[in-house]
Amino acid sequence: AQSVTQLGSHVSVSEGALVLLRCNYSSSVPPYLFWYVQYPNQGLQLLLKYTSAATLVKGINGFEAEFKKSETSFHLTKPSAHMSDAAEYFCAGTLMGGYNKLIFGAGTRLAVHP
Amino acid sequence: DGGITQSPKYLFRKEGQNVTLSCEQNLNHDAMYWYRQDPGQGLRLIYYSQIVNDFQKGDIAEGYSVSREKKESFPLTVTSAQKNPTAFYLCASKRKRTDSNQPQHFGDGTRLSIL
Repeated sequence: AQSVTQLGSHVSVSEGALVLLRCNYSSSVPPYLFWYVQYPNQGLQLLLKYTSAATLVKGINGFEAEFKKSETSFHLTKPSAHMSDAAEYFCAGTLMGGYNKLIFGAGTRLAVHP
Repeated sequence: DGGITQSPKYLFRKEGQNVTLSCEQNLNHDAMYWYRQDPGQGLRLIYYSQIVNDFQKGDIAEGYSVSREKKESFPLTVTSAQKNPTAFYLCASKRKRTDSNQPQHFGDGTRLSIL
């Protein structure tokens, strides 16, 4: 079955440290991939998207992600964490076939401590 | 500004009661979606609609119903048949369902609880 997997349900970093949130997908055809952020009791906000134009994608709030076909990965990074980055992050993909369903990972909760 | 409005923000349901969650968008999008979010499980698709007067079941449609009488509106009814309705419900839209490379836009959600 096609799936999106986020490794680590909780990640904790110090303010100013590198943020790395992992996402892997399973698909025989390269998908379209997205990272969303969710703050408490709010909806999902798009951070960035991969649509095959470039493998390194820059998004809002200083985040970026690199698509690696050989590793079927789309990890999200930010060089220096801010306290305001504390939120839940979802990786999602439109995996080919079916009705262009958007499949979500289970989410990673990022904590940033002083 | 264009966007998706969900109401109410918080909703409480008594046993045996049906409740309806509102979702309105002014983005002129054809496709609309309802998701259920439970802790640690990501988002699961309940129903989606590609166009007015059309809707399809998602992965967890049992105990839910929808309608799409207007392009802007896609209300979700949680019926008494849904035995575990406590969750955070998110509505989303996209210009066209077939736009695979376009993201879905989300409302701010409705949190439903059982009294």
